[in-house]
Amino acid sequence: SQTIHQWPATLVQPVGSPLSLECTVEGTSNPNLYWYRQAAGRGLQLLFYSVGIGQISSEVPQNLSASRPQDRQFILSSKKLLLSDSGFYLCAWSGRAANTEAFFGQGTRLTVV
Amino acid sequence: AQSVTQPDIHITVSEGASLELRCNYSYGATPYLFWYVQSPGQGLQLLLKYFSGDTLVQGIKGFEAEFKRSQSSFNLRKPSVHWSDAAEYFCAVSQGFQKLVFGTGTRLLVSP
Repeated sequence: SQTIHQWPATLVQPVGSPLSLECTVEGTSNPNLYWYRQAAGRGLQLLFYSVGIGQISSEVPQNLSASRPQDRQFILSSKKLLLSDSGFYLCAWSGRAANTEAFFGQGTRLTVV
Repeated sequence: AQSVTQPDIHITVSEGASLELRCNYSYGATPYLFWYVQSPGQGLQLLLKYFSGDTLVQGIKGFEAEFKRSQSSFNLRKPSVHWSDAAEYFCAVSQGFQKLVFGTGTRLLVSP
């Protein structure tokens, strides 16, 4: 069966520090991959999605970037964190078919201080 | 652009009572619709999905939802709520490539 791993679970980082969040998927190949952010009191917003290695689409302008160095690995990064980057970050994957659902990781709680 | 509206921020239901969570969407074509549940500090778990066909879909944990095209709605229902159902519920529509647009969520509180 497929599983999705996301780490770390929680992270406290100072303003201006770099960020790297990692997500890996097991049990499937060539998945679509996604990064969402859930800010306090708000819904989930799609940040990035990827349909293949090295193929990244950004959905909103921001201080973050994403990379997909391997088929089942998706990384969310920042060179310099802002206070506004605080939130709950969720990685997700889906199959290629149009009528399929997305499966989410357990999330990373990022607090920028 | 696609959008999802969940008009109820909080709902309190007595244990054993029925539940209906509202969801309205805006989407030009036939939508792919989802309900997810999130426990505090956790990821999202899929409750049910609608792609096509029967407009009443059954999900896990005794939940069901009905797709009504004329009302652009996809309301979530459960006939008898359990204390363990307390969580936040999100309705979502797919933009294609399973890029999801989420509503702002409804927090369900279950009273004894």
